[in-house]
Amino acid sequence: DQQVKQNSPSLSVQEGRISILNCDYTNSMFDYFLWYKKYPAEGPTFLISISSIKDKNEDGRFTVFLNKSAKHLSLHIVPSQPGDSAVYFCAAKNTGNQFYFGTGTSLTVIP
Amino acid sequence: ETGVTQSPTHLIKTRGQQVTLRCSSQSGHNTVSWYQQALGQGPQFIFQYYREEENGRGNFPPRFSGLQFPNYSSELNVNALELDDSALYLCASSLPGRGPDTQYFGPGTRLTVL
Repeated sequence: DQQVKQNSPSLSVQEGRISILNCDYTNSMFDYFLWYKKYPAEGPTFLISISSIKDKNEDGRFTVFLNKSAKHLSLHIVPSQPGDSAVYFCAAKNTGNQFYFGTGTSLTVIP
Repeated sequence: ETGVTQSPTHLIKTRGQQVTLRCSSQSGHNTVSWYQQALGQGPQFIFQYYREEENGRGNFPPRFSGLQFPNYSSELNVNALELDDSALYLCASSLPGRGPDTQYFGPGTRLTVL
């Protein structure tokens, strides 16, 4: 039962343009949503999070949007840089501090 | 650099064997979670330990068990290995109350079951 879904396995974007990564979830009891970035041979690294009571959180080039009615969140990266090329995982946390991850989206930023 | 280390890096076992994977957390991080990441999938929550007690479990059978020690290290034990247990196993440590973004992942142990 996949409670968090990332339907785009890959995304290619030109350097300087906006990257938009999408994520859908099914459990309305999640209280936090997070994005992680993963390079090969490394564990996921936290990127940005948003509480379920917010609809937007911004940190530099990264913005996460949450649409609770649609059970959808997205990560915007602008401007995209070649160093942003990695696999991005969307995750959701329940009140029991258990994390559920999506299957990841591989982002390639083309110079 | 997250301060979380895992050993070994790679491991090959045969079906039916038992395996122990180890994780060393940051000092003071009294919560550790273990995840299984199969090829092409996202990390799947196995269980979480808080102050040496199991504090939540995902949809994994009892042959997956764990231990957490006072020195912030922990173990994941898997008995009666099956071919489908081949995956990257990740541990993540955190400090409760500091918010969900303070979960730090190790680099993982790649387990291959033949």
